[in-house]
Amino acid sequence: AQTVTQSQPEMSVQEAETVTLSCTYDTSESDYYLFWYKQPPSRQMILVIRQEAYKQQNATENRFSVNFQKAAKSFSLKISDSQLGDAAMYFCAYRSRIQGAQKLVFGQGTRLTINP
Amino acid sequence: GAVVSQHPSWVICKSGTSVKIECRSLDFQATTMFWYRQFPKQSLMLMATSNEGSKATYEQGVEKDKFLINHASLTLSTLTVTSAHPEDSSFYICSARGGGSGEAFFGQGTRLTVV
Repeated sequence: AQTVTQSQPEMSVQEAETVTLSCTYDTSESDYYLFWYKQPPSRQMILVIRQEAYKQQNATENRFSVNFQKAAKSFSLKISDSQLGDAAMYFCAYRSRIQGAQKLVFGQGTRLTINP
Repeated sequence: GAVVSQHPSWVICKSGTSVKIECRSLDFQATTMFWYRQFPKQSLMLMATSNEGSKATYEQGVEKDKFLINHASLTLSTLTVTSAHPEDSSFYICSARGGGSGEAFFGQGTRLTVV
């Protein structure tokens, strides 16, 4: 079974600075999706960024980018120019691409605090 | 992104009663819906996966007779917590996904308090 590990329960960063959240995963599959979700205080889960394992290029979405290291099974999220609205829980997640496989496997989450 | 609406946002019920939570995909057909439970400061725990017109698949340890899931249409799934007890108090989140490699979109969650 696949597992996702986020080893940083909490992180903090100064506003406008850059922060990197870590995520590692374990799988025997070669094709899969990886995601970062944000859960702000409202508790609404919001997709931040998605990476397909067969793509070597790291995904980017504005101030958010990932460092996908497939051989190392690492998938970190970099937030540039941190803003107060980035404060939230961040969850890393894995989903298989095997036909019929549907569920997301979540990490434990990292609580990100932005210091003004 | 697509919109998933979950209702109610919060509910308080008496111990022993049943509570129904609705999850609707507003602008796409959700072939698969997921129900999660989230305890304070913890990750999402998948309770069950349901496909439209089929019986839900429950995760190990989840009582299917207590948490009844119905996915009768491509836009609606319901979770009924039967004979609720205080230990069922939690935050419940639904997620809906279309076919293929479609993303899963989340509802806003329901805070259930059983008194």
